Amino acid sequence: QKEVEQNSGPLSVPEGAIASLNCTYSDRGSQSFFWYRQYSGKSPELIMFIYSNGDKEDGRFTAQLNKASQYVSLLIRDSQPSDSATYLCAVFLSTSYGKLTFGQGTILTVHP
Amino acid sequence: EAGVTQSPTHLIKTRGQQATLRCSPISGHTSVYWYQQALGLGLQFLLWYDEGEERNRGNFPPRFSGRQFPNYSSELNVNALELEDSALYLCASSLRGLRDTQYFGPGTRLTVL
Repeated sequence: QKEVEQNSGPLSVPEGAIASLNCTYSDRGSQSFFWYRQYSGKSPELIMFIYSNGDKEDGRFTAQLNKASQYVSLLIRDSQPSDSATYLCAVFLSTSYGKLTFGQGTILTVHP
Repeated sequence: EAGVTQSPTHLIKTRGQQATLRCSPISGHTSVYWYQQALGLGLQFLLWYDEGEERNRGNFPPRFSGRQFPNYSSELNVNALELEDSALYLCASSLRGLRDTQYFGPGTRLTVL
């Protein structure tokens, strides 16, 4: 089992819809969780981080964390074509020191 | 506030040569991290430097090395380049180490011919 897994893509949604991106992790002791967005040929850009169980909202983005089920998700409301990118889930595992462990990424396409 | 900067943007080398990549962290950040993103592979952790010391190292051979300078900037050296070293090399910085939020620079695209 991979340490961090994301739902296989690519994911395609129409403009204005809600995009749902999911991530599971194997280490129950993991503490901190991050979502990055990466446009093709560019570097990852931080969208949100979440540490506690529950929801965290920032504009059109909502991160959800469920430590008991070991998953973290990202919802993008009112999706725009500019949201089309690869979304990376990253986790600090309990045994990591400075090392972020990334999922393989989910490619999101928002079509007009 | 300026973000993480990296140089050069692109680097082309031949097999067996050495490559040197540079990174300047966000002002006030003391920790610098290096990641490799090869085509078709995810981001792989290479190295973590904090306060001038190497704190953690990923599963890469010793020909990948680096250092952090007193001004917290960092250098990644790759010796005896191999074709599979071709990748985007990303530097990130954080305010403190261990589990602080990491902010990425634009990356250096290394091509080994």
